[in-house]
Amino acid sequence: ETGVTQTPRHLVMGMTNKKSLKCEQHLGHNAMYWYKQSAKKPLELMFVYNFKEQTENNSVPSRFSPECPNSSHLFLHLHTLQPEDSALYLCASSHGTGDYNEQFFGPGTRLTVL
Amino acid sequence: GQNIDQPTEMTATEGAIVQINCTYQTSGFNGLFWYQQHAGEAPTFLSYNVLDGLEEKGRFSSFLSRSKGYSYLLLKELQMKDSASYLCAVKESNYQLIWGAGTKLIIKP
Repeated sequence: ETGVTQTPRHLVMGMTNKKSLKCEQHLGHNAMYWYKQSAKKPLELMFVYNFKEQTENNSVPSRFSPECPNSSHLFLHLHTLQPEDSALYLCASSHGTGDYNEQFFGPGTRLTVL
Repeated sequence: GQNIDQPTEMTATEGAIVQINCTYQTSGFNGLFWYQQHAGEAPTFLSYNVLDGLEEKGRFSSFLSRSKGYSYLLLKELQMKDSASYLCAVKESNYQLIWGAGTKLIIKP
């Protein structure tokens, strides 16, 4: 248990569906992150929120839409996804975004797009 | 451009020592992290190096040479539970983490 939870753990969706991934951290952190992890590829940073403000959007397609209502919760809204979006989506949090800020990861949501 | 290289897969024997290397080319440097990720689980933090030299933490040690853009993770007295992927990540000058693809370590009895 890292103090970061993600739901659902597994999700299968069609290309026309709309779904949301949820992340919650119980660590009192101020920064939260969404990553995409594909097999044998490096972790890809998607979005960063610091004190509820989005500070990074790494050229992510608009079919992925993040939402951060408060410092403890982070959502990733999905719509009209493509099969190549199938991957493990990891949420992480850290105290801040400076030098040494260890990131704590959730267990991930395994997404399959049919 | 940004690049982090680490071997795709390594195999070692229980009780032995293994060294996992990581070389990097990044836009600035604000520290290097090693994470462990068991199959189907979240990555967990192992070590952080920002100055040159060796950091020892129990059976695991991490080394950094900033001039060479090089780090290694040393695992001693290997146990079967050490079978996992080991991820190297560098924090750039803009404080973003750039990740390697990970090294899958297989431990054999």
